Amino acid sequence: DQQVKQNSPSLSVQEGRISILNCDYTNSMFDYFLWYKKYPAEGPTFLISISSIKDKNEDGRFTVFLNKSAKHLSLHIVPSQPGDSAVYFCAAIIFGNEKLTFGTGTRLTIIP
Amino acid sequence: DAGVIQSPRHEVTEMGQEVTLRCKPISGHNSLFWYRQTMMRGLELLIYFNNNVPIDDSGMPEDRFSAKMPNASFSTLKIQPSEPRDSAVYFCASTLGQANTEAFFGQGTRLTVV
Repeated sequence: DQQVKQNSPSLSVQEGRISILNCDYTNSMFDYFLWYKKYPAEGPTFLISISSIKDKNEDGRFTVFLNKSAKHLSLHIVPSQPGDSAVYFCAAIIFGNEKLTFGTGTRLTIIP
Repeated sequence: DAGVIQSPRHEVTEMGQEVTLRCKPISGHNSLFWYRQTMMRGLELLIYFNNNVPIDDSGMPEDRFSAKMPNASFSTLKIQPSEPRDSAVYFCASTLGQANTEAFFGQGTRLTVV
């Protein structure tokens, strides 16, 4: 049972444009969400997070939006840069529990 | 700090052999996680430890898999006997042990069972 879903396995975006990566979850108990970025032959690294009490969190070019009623979150990258090409994982956690539940990932390719 | 260190980086073994993956977490981190990455399921949590004690092993696929954490600076994930379907990238991660804190991942071990 995949509680965190990333339905787009891949996405290609022109350099300078906006990249939007989507994530859906089924467990309404999740109350903290994270995005991780992974380059080939490396481990995932933390990118940005959001608490369920917020609907938006911004960090430089990266913004995460949370729609709790739809159980949906998205990561916006603007402007997209070639170095953003990577696999992006969405993850969710229940407060007080350390168990991170990950999605299947979306491979983002930025076209120069 | 060197970060989370995993060894080996690559392992190729024959079906039926025992495989041991190793992990050194970041010093001072109290929680350690073992994940498996596959195309179909993404990053699956196999087991995690807090203060060297296994807390949740519900993700361990079957009895062929076992994990230990004899001290705060070392953990192993063992597969015995290994099967071709175990081929995947295995990641170790560590955190400070508090809820909602960032997990730091190692570079992973790519396991191929032939």
